[in-house]
Amino acid sequence: DGGITQSPKYLFRKEGQNVTLSCEQNLNHDAMYWYRQDPGQGLRLIYYSQIVNDFQKGDIAEGYSVSREKKESFPLTVTSAQKNPTAFYLCASSTLGTSTDTQYFGPGTRLTVL
Amino acid sequence: AQSVTQLDSHVSVSEGTPVLLRCNYSSSYSPSLFWYVQHPNKGLQLLLKYTSAATLVKGINGFEAEFKKSETSFHLTKPSAHMSDAAEYFCVVSVGTGRRALTFGSGTRLQVQP
Repeated sequence: DGGITQSPKYLFRKEGQNVTLSCEQNLNHDAMYWYRQDPGQGLRLIYYSQIVNDFQKGDIAEGYSVSREKKESFPLTVTSAQKNPTAFYLCASSTLGTSTDTQYFGPGTRLTVL
Repeated sequence: AQSVTQLDSHVSVSEGTPVLLRCNYSSSYSPSLFWYVQHPNKGLQLLLKYTSAATLVKGINGFEAEFKKSETSFHLTKPSAHMSDAAEYFCVVSVGTGRRALTFGSGTRLQVQP
């Protein structure tokens, strides 16, 4: 089955720790995205990548980092510089990254700071 | 810049009655518009999308939406609600210039009463 997988489903972080969220897709999509979702709000873009070895900051990139070494993978690291990381994180991918493309979403990772 | 406003944060209907979820958008360019649905603690699933073809768009699970340029609206409707329709719905706008990512509305939570 083609799709997007995210792991882990739940993640707990202590103060001062960096954590990495995994996102893998087997849809052969060029573009991948990371969003953050807070209660009562829509999704906000953290980072996006339209091609391997290239990525761009979204609206709320501070305290986050990404890499895109393989087409299939787009891991997100939440660093200790992110002061309020508790949220639901969603990864998505699309064919080309154009405005008409449908973005397909993974099941999400819920991050909680202890 | 683009933006999207979902006019109701919560909508409650009885099973078997019509559903109307309202969305207004703002865009300097011809937009693509999407409706996504999210069930609790899940990723987002595409219901339908408008990309400058027919203004009445039919989606999955009996949903449809009409693009009205004069009203800058893209309301989502369904003739008869089902219990399984209870979820959060997001209206999304995307335009073809600059960063190729989606701008999400804040969401409408649909409750379906038996």
